[in-house]
Amino acid sequence: KNQVEQSPQSLIILEGKNCTLQCNYTVSPFSNLRWYKQDTGRGPVSLTIMTFSENTKSNGRYTATLDADTKQSSLHITASQLSDSASYICVVSGSVTGKLIFGQGTTLQVKP
Amino acid sequence: DGGITQSPKYLFRKEGQNVTLSCEQNLNHDAMYWYRQDPGQGLRLIYYSQIVNDFQKGDIAEGYSVSREKKESFPLTVTSAQKNPTAFYLCASSIRDRASTDTQYFGPGTRLTVL
Repeated sequence: KNQVEQSPQSLIILEGKNCTLQCNYTVSPFSNLRWYKQDTGRGPVSLTIMTFSENTKSNGRYTATLDADTKQSSLHITASQLSDSASYICVVSGSVTGKLIFGQGTTLQVKP
Repeated sequence: DGGITQSPKYLFRKEGQNVTLSCEQNLNHDAMYWYRQDPGQGLRLIYYSQIVNDFQKGDIAEGYSVSREKKESFPLTVTSAQKNPTAFYLCASSIRDRASTDTQYFGPGTRLTVL
């Protein structure tokens, strides 16, 4: 069964600190992996997208990595800000069906 | 101001009533989608449409209906047959229906509560 599992479920960090969110998937064959940011009560917004041939992609203070061999991805946030408080969703696309498989998300809270 | 709009933001419904959620986009996207989001779960696809006057069931279509009479609009009706309708509903659109390449852009969502 194609699945996407994210960890931790929730995370609290102090402003200015770095953090790393994890995403493990079993989707195969695999086409691409996206990270979305979802503010509370809002729709998700795309942060990065990586194909199977890419192993890193940055968007400002957000850096996503991908290891297609171990089927793992991480999202690293540098010098966190209060506005980073949100849920971060990992989404994997299968190359056969093209279907999107969504992880359950990691809720990040940045405290002053 | 381009984007996807959903209305209303909050919706309350009594058991046994049908209710329609609005989704409009001015991005000139061909494909539109409806998802349901529940706490602790990933988004689940309800219905999607690749082109006007055509739509397909997603993973959890039972108790829902849609129409796509215009490219810009993809309303979702939550019928009384939906057993657990209380959820956050998200509409999305993409240039085409190719999830392998096309990014989906999401609306702000509608929170439906059944009283």
